[in-house]
Amino acid sequence: VMTQSPATLSVSPGERATLSCRASQSVSTNLAWYQQKPGQTPSLLISETSTRATGVPARFSGSGSGTQFTLTISSLQSEDFAVYYCHQYNNWPHTFGQGTKLEIK
Amino acid sequence: QLQLQESGPGLVKSSETLSLTCTVSGGYISSGNYRWGWIRQSPGKGLEWIASVLYSGTSFYNPYLESRVTTSIDTSKNQFSLKLSSVTAADTAIYYCASHLIYVGYVSWGQGTLVTVSS
Repeated sequence: VMTQSPATLSVSPGERATLSCRASQSVSTNLAWYQQKPGQTPSLLISETSTRATGVPARFSGSGSGTQFTLTISSLQSEDFAVYYCHQYNNWPHTFGQGTKLEIK
Repeated sequence: QLQLQESGPGLVKSSETLSLTCTVSGGYISSGNYRWGWIRQSPGKGLEWIASVLYSGTSFYNPYLESRVTTSIDTSKNQFSLKLSSVTAADTAIYYCASHLIYVGYVSWGQGTLVTVSS
């Protein structure tokens, strides 16, 4: 089970956002983060805990290992307000977190 | 860059079987570097992993759905498929197919197809 917190995060543009994901058992570093904007398909942001996908801005960073993971957005831009999901692919069955909605404060 | 496209009925009657196919282009489904996944999203809800199928045909299922799910792969058509039996209104969702690059994650997604279960 992947548990994300908080469920909703209200942050002002330009500020830092920190999203958390906790696994019920170790997933090593086999964890990804996805961004989903309203009406759109999810898109891969981060793989292997900390590797940004092609084209993802450097303000997005991931960290962690084992059971605790963090996605940090250093200076929020208007286009970053979306829902973020973590996903572990270390163990079967694969699982997604329930999502964190990042909204404008 | 792989492209994926879901196809299948948008309306399924309660207790019947939902059947979807995903057609892959821009690469070969027989690539050992990918696992082929199905993910769904109920209206206003989060992502739910349903199943993954490997090019060999080996499949892995969400344990909550396992008794009702079957996946298959057709390398000659570059397609993989999902069947979900005995559907109820709770199975109404957008169904996505996606390619999971090993050690990376779901790198390419289909546009998603809304399947509504009617009574």
